[in-house]
Amino acid sequence: QKEVEQNSGPLSVPEGAIASLNCTYSDRVSQSFFWYRQYSGKSPELIMSIYSNGDKEDGRFTAQLNKASQYVSLLIRDSQPSDSATYLCAVDKGSFQKLVFGTGTRLLVSP
Amino acid sequence: EAQVTQNPRYLITVTGKKLTVTCSQNMNHEYMSWYRQDPGLGLRQIYYSMNVEVTDKGDVPEGYKVSRKEKRNFPLILESPSPNQTSLYFCASSSSTDRSYEQYFGPGTRLTVT
Repeated sequence: QKEVEQNSGPLSVPEGAIASLNCTYSDRVSQSFFWYRQYSGKSPELIMSIYSNGDKEDGRFTAQLNKASQYVSLLIRDSQPSDSATYLCAVDKGSFQKLVFGTGTRLLVSP
Repeated sequence: EAQVTQNPRYLITVTGKKLTVTCSQNMNHEYMSWYRQDPGLGLRQIYYSMNVEVTDKGDVPEGYKVSRKEKRNFPLILESPSPNQTSLYFCASSSSTDRSYEQYFGPGTRLTVT
């Protein structure tokens, strides 16, 4: 079992729709969870971080964490073509400096 | 401008020829890391450093060395590169005082070993 699992996609949604990206992790000691966005040929950039169960909202983005189910998700409301990218889920391994990344989900938002 | 820089951005080399990829950050961050990114395998941590002279192995350290003699610099050394080290490499830094724990990534170095 991979430490962090994501569906590779692509996930295709029309402009204006809600995109839902999911991630599961295996290590129950993990405390910090991150979503990074990576455009093709570019470096990852942090979108959201979440540390406690529940929802965390930032603009069009909402991160959801369920530690009991070892599940973290990212919702993107009013999806825009500029949101088309690969979204990487990252989970700490007992220290926020030791991160394990999923392989990413490619999101395609069509106009 | 706050940034992480890496050099070179692209490098083609031959098996066994020692090389160094430099990484520098101007944000006074304590923490720095090196990752490699491969299709289907994602980003994997090679080494990380908590501060000057303090480094530790990540998940895939074999074939790599690092040093942290200055806070701003964290070079990655491949003493005898092999074709399986062909990859896209990212350096990242973060601060212990930044509660978001955001890692700032450099632009990447694409390495090809023939």
